[in-house]
Amino acid sequence: LAKTTQPISMDSYEGQEVNITCSHNNIATNDYITWYQQFPSQGPRFIIQGYKTKVTNEVASLFIPADRKSSTLSLPRVSLSDTAVYYCLVGARNTGGFKTIFGAGTRLFVKA
Amino acid sequence: AAGVIQSPRHLIKEKRETATLKCYPIPRHDTVYWYQQGPGQDPQFLISFYEKMQSDKGSIPDRFSAQQFSDYHSELNMSSLELGDSALYFCASSYGQGAQETQYFGPGTRLLVL
Repeated sequence: LAKTTQPISMDSYEGQEVNITCSHNNIATNDYITWYQQFPSQGPRFIIQGYKTKVTNEVASLFIPADRKSSTLSLPRVSLSDTAVYYCLVGARNTGGFKTIFGAGTRLFVKA
Repeated sequence: AAGVIQSPRHLIKEKRETATLKCYPIPRHDTVYWYQQGPGQDPQFLISFYEKMQSDKGSIPDRFSAQQFSDYHSELNMSSLELGDSALYFCASSYGQGAQETQYFGPGTRLLVL
């Protein structure tokens, strides 16, 4: 399983764009990159998933360079309610089995 | 849309007692995961089941066991409870398409061991 490294914490202000970068140097060919968001005392919630280049949905964008050794989650115009912990996970279901490893996530604080 | 259901939502036990946590996955999901999250910590993978068979084990103590039943619901059995077992326990379910997978998490069971 590819190990991931993220910043421990980040601060931002409402209305700003936030970019959280995750390093995964040992990513395998079949691995996908998935980001989850977790609020206190709640289960993690899926945000976005990608394999290469760029993926965008109604919540965020995910940028993955050609070497796939890192990825960047981009949250446009954050609000106070985006204050949460963000986790980057790397793995593949059929080759990596069914073991999911959450690394140390990034604690995002959005200020007014 | 249907979500993952966990019961009970809160549980208080004494040391050395047993506890059983239940998880009802989203219909047609074939995989169930169990996680433990202590205060201020990141989720720790305990065990997973694919099509009712145990598929992977993580940092699950020997005092814990789990199974998935014919209706796909899963139960985590915890015996000889210790103070350190106090945590949030999450269940997640998924349905994979090849290598891709999204896990859907339940609301969690908060266990307090006194």
